[in-house]
Amino acid sequence: DIQMTQSPSSLSASVGDRVTITCRASQSISSYLNWYQQKPGKAPKLLIYAASSLQSGVPSRFSGSGSGTDFTLSISSLRPEDFATYYCQQSYSTLFTFGPGTKVDIK
Amino acid sequence: QLQLQESGPGLVKPSETLSLTCTVYGGSISSVGSYWGWIRQPPGKGLEWIGSIYFGGDTYYKPSLKSRVTISVDTSKNQLSLKLSSVTAADSAVYYCARFIGYTSHFDYWGQGTLVTVSP
Repeated sequence: DIQMTQSPSSLSASVGDRVTITCRASQSISSYLNWYQQKPGKAPKLLIYAASSLQSGVPSRFSGSGSGTDFTLSISSLRPEDFATYYCQQSYSTLFTFGPGTKVDIK
Repeated sequence: QLQLQESGPGLVKPSETLSLTCTVYGGSISSVGSYWGWIRQPPGKGLEWIGSIYFGGDTYYKPSLKSRVTISVDTSKNQLSLKLSSVTAADSAVYYCARFIGYTSHFDYWGQGTLVTVSP
């Protein structure tokens, strides 16, 4: 399996802050990396696919970058509705794997 | 607008088989380029991919679950199904079905999830 790690596991931030979450793969996955946002009691929502492509309808304050083994998800200016847990997922292998998640809460 | 709806028993006894169905609305489950997967999330924990099924019926499963999992599609009913045998308490989770597309295989549509508890 390709293992995915995320850092930090949690962070506290204020509205308006810039937030960066890192995802690392145990081997090169090219740009086959997707990001999801999940709020309590809800299904995950796709934010970014193919490392840097913004899903339709997702605000432009979200952005993704990286390739190979290291990736980042950035939120340029945190809004109240962005407090959630964020997961990365690799789709390089047909055996998909998710990262453990990063919880973003209010400072 | 595609909608996915999971259904099935909310309580399953240990050692029995968990069976869930995902009905797809607003589109055909056989659409070219649409593939389907199951993901689960134990209470308070992260997302775990269970398995996927591709056009033509090819299936891929998480290695640690492979001996217990079967995913299939019934095109006549526009449904995806999951069977997980010999369940234990560790299989208690919210189970999601989701669609993934394209060469990037990102999950763009998800069901709302259904909680399954394994308990005597």
